[in-house]
Amino acid sequence: ILNVEQSPQSLHVQEGDSTNFTCSFPSSNFYALHWYRWETAKSPEALFVMTLNGDEKKKGRISATLNTKEGYSYLYIKGSQPEDSATYLCAFKRGNEKLTFGTGTRLTIIP
Amino acid sequence: KAGVTQTPRYLIKTRGQQVTLSCSPISGHRSVSWYQQTPGQGLQFLFEYFSETQRNKGNFPGRFSGRQFSNSRSEMNVSTLELGDSALYLCASSRNTDTQYFGPGTRLTVL
Repeated sequence: ILNVEQSPQSLHVQEGDSTNFTCSFPSSNFYALHWYRWETAKSPEALFVMTLNGDEKKKGRISATLNTKEGYSYLYIKGSQPEDSATYLCAFKRGNEKLTFGTGTRLTIIP
Repeated sequence: KAGVTQTPRYLIKTRGQQVTLSCSPISGHRSVSWYQQTPGQGLQFLFEYFSETQRNKGNFPGRFSGRQFSNSRSEMNVSTLELGDSALYLCASSRNTDTQYFGPGTRLTVL
C-alpha cells in the first residue's frame, strides 16, 4: 500500500499572503506526481503533472517543485486570493500502477 | 471539446440493491478511471480501463465491477449495496496515463 501524505490537512490564510504545502510520497520507482485543485461543488481540476526530479512548474500565482530522490513536492501560492480557496490534492504514480491520491490540504482564504 | 460526463448525477438506493453508473470520457481519451470519495477519505481508486481492458484495480470487494465499451464509455456496477457504499463516485479520463480530467461525479446514497 502506497502512502501519499499531505500536510497540513487544513490551512487558513489571509488574503494577499503567500502559502505553501507539502506532498510526501515513496521515492522508489517514481513515475509522476500530479497536483489537482478541487473547489466545492466542482470537479477536481489538474494543476500540474511533474515527472522529472527538480521539475518546477508555474501557472499564474501557483507553482510547484518536485524532489523525487527524497520523495516530496511543494505547492506554492503567491498573494492568495479568495478564489484560491479549495482542497489541493496531490497524486503519485509509480511505474504502471494506479494513481494514488493524498487526502488533500483544505485551503481557506480569509478576506 | 465536451468534458467528461457522468450519469446519473444523484441516486438513492436501498441496501441490497444494485446500481450502474455511467461515464463518457472526453473524445479521443481511451483511459477511464473510477474513484470513490467518502467524508474524511481521499479519492480511493476503484479501477482503470484502457481500450476496453482493465489495466489496474484498487482494493475494493468483488461487488464493485466495471467495463469499458469500444467507444471508450465506461460503466461501473455495484451489487448488493451496503450503507458504506454511500459516496461520491468520480470518473476521470485521460489520453494514456497522464493528466486526469474529472467528471462532475455521481452522488450515491444508500438507505
